[in-house]
Amino acid sequence: KAGVTQTPRYLIKTRGQQVTLSCSPISGHRSVSWYQQTPGQGLQFLFEYFSETQRNKGNFPGRFSGRQFSNSRSEMNVSTLELGDSALYLCASSSNRLAYTGELFFGEGSRLTVL
Amino acid sequence: QQPVQSPQAVILREGEDAVINCSSSKALYSVHWYRQKHGEAPVFLMILLKGGEQKGHDKISASFNEKKQQSSLYLTASQLSYSGTYFCGTESGSARQLTFGSGTQLTVLP
Repeated sequence: KAGVTQTPRYLIKTRGQQVTLSCSPISGHRSVSWYQQTPGQGLQFLFEYFSETQRNKGNFPGRFSGRQFSNSRSEMNVSTLELGDSALYLCASSSNRLAYTGELFFGEGSRLTVL
Repeated sequence: QQPVQSPQAVILREGEDAVINCSSSKALYSVHWYRQKHGEAPVFLMILLKGGEQKGHDKISASFNEKKQQSSLYLTASQLSYSGTYFCGTESGSARQLTFGSGTQLTVLP
């Protein structure tokens, strides 16, 4: 069974640009969540999608957005990049048939560097 | 609000035991534990639901004290492969949203 795939793995952007990151979940998983990981802040929840609907959103500015497609693949977009957006962006999928967050399967992440 | 993990870092020898704590100011529904090795994705260890249960697999176990909103991860007879950063994630209320602690870096030396 293929794991969670994130593309691109590494990217470098300059301030003011925008970026789109992609995540393909494990086959059959309908929930996709995104996390930002930085040395200072740790793992911070961005948002979670289930069946193309955003169910939860973390405390990030509106520059961070996402969507999920009918095949459960998800993208997140960051517009007007700032230096502080440099981070590892992790995507996680789960089958999420429970009343609580189940086991998350993380991808290896997309490392974004903003210059 | 982010749960508080302690200690921030721990170094031990192979075969020694370690305890990592996670506490929250919120009433918790569940506590999750993950381990992340350097340059790799976080990997799920276990979930504990409110009710004070204790779980474990192999030599890693955890407990959840619902009254104190605290969870502890116990690593017994540490192996070199246990090295990594351990994160607790907490869930409260009806939101399916994990809030992770800042992590505990565990290093096991031979």
